[in-house]
Amino acid sequence: GQQLNQSPQSMFIQEGEDVSMNCTSSSIFNTWLWYKQDPGEGPVLLIALYKAGELTSNGRLTAQFGITRKDSFLNISASIPSDVGIYFCAGQLALGTGANNLFFGTGTRLTVIP
Amino acid sequence: GAGVSQSPSNKVTEKGKDVELRCDPISGHTALYWYRQSLGQGLEFLIYFQGNSAPDKSGLPSDRFSAERTGGSVSTLTIQRTQQEDSAVYLCASSRGRSNQPQHFGDGTRLSIL
Repeated sequence: GQQLNQSPQSMFIQEGEDVSMNCTSSSIFNTWLWYKQDPGEGPVLLIALYKAGELTSNGRLTAQFGITRKDSFLNISASIPSDVGIYFCAGQLALGTGANNLFFGTGTRLTVIP
Repeated sequence: GAGVSQSPSNKVTEKGKDVELRCDPISGHTALYWYRQSLGQGLEFLIYFQGNSAPDKSGLPSDRFSAERTGGSVSTLTIQRTQQEDSAVYLCASSRGRSNQPQHFGDGTRLSIL
């Protein structure tokens, strides 16, 4: 399958700080997605990006679809304790012959220190 | 509710037993995915169903693992002769099946093999 390199693997930040994480790939994707997973729950979609260069915000979250279509970043501004969790990027290919078309990064574990 | 539903939420069984995990996707979603997530780790792709196409089974770790999707809706993941290394959270996700439609996840089944 496709390889997505997500960094950093983990982050410890003070409440109120801004956070940035990113995903890179050697493959071109049609869609980039960012998910957050809380303990004991499934990942929840935060932001979906559909066009190269697209910059999309969702509250304190901002994500961009890289112009080369091979990367994406997620920023969280003014972090709060409930931002704690694991953040996953995912790249989606155009549908083809029925093969899996969605590939996940390895996750960024965020800890916010009050 | 209208989300992806998985059952059971927790399953404890003895090594060597067979287990069946169930996923009810969101109504109208033609694509269905199964993933495995070990403690604190990322998402390991297992199998992908898209409409009436043959499923992509490339992620299944061994022939003890199989999955079915009946009537294009409910899916069952079966693990035969379970081993301790099968212990993990098994997550199901569904989407509308077009390339620009993101996945929605269930909360998973936490499987523990004694």
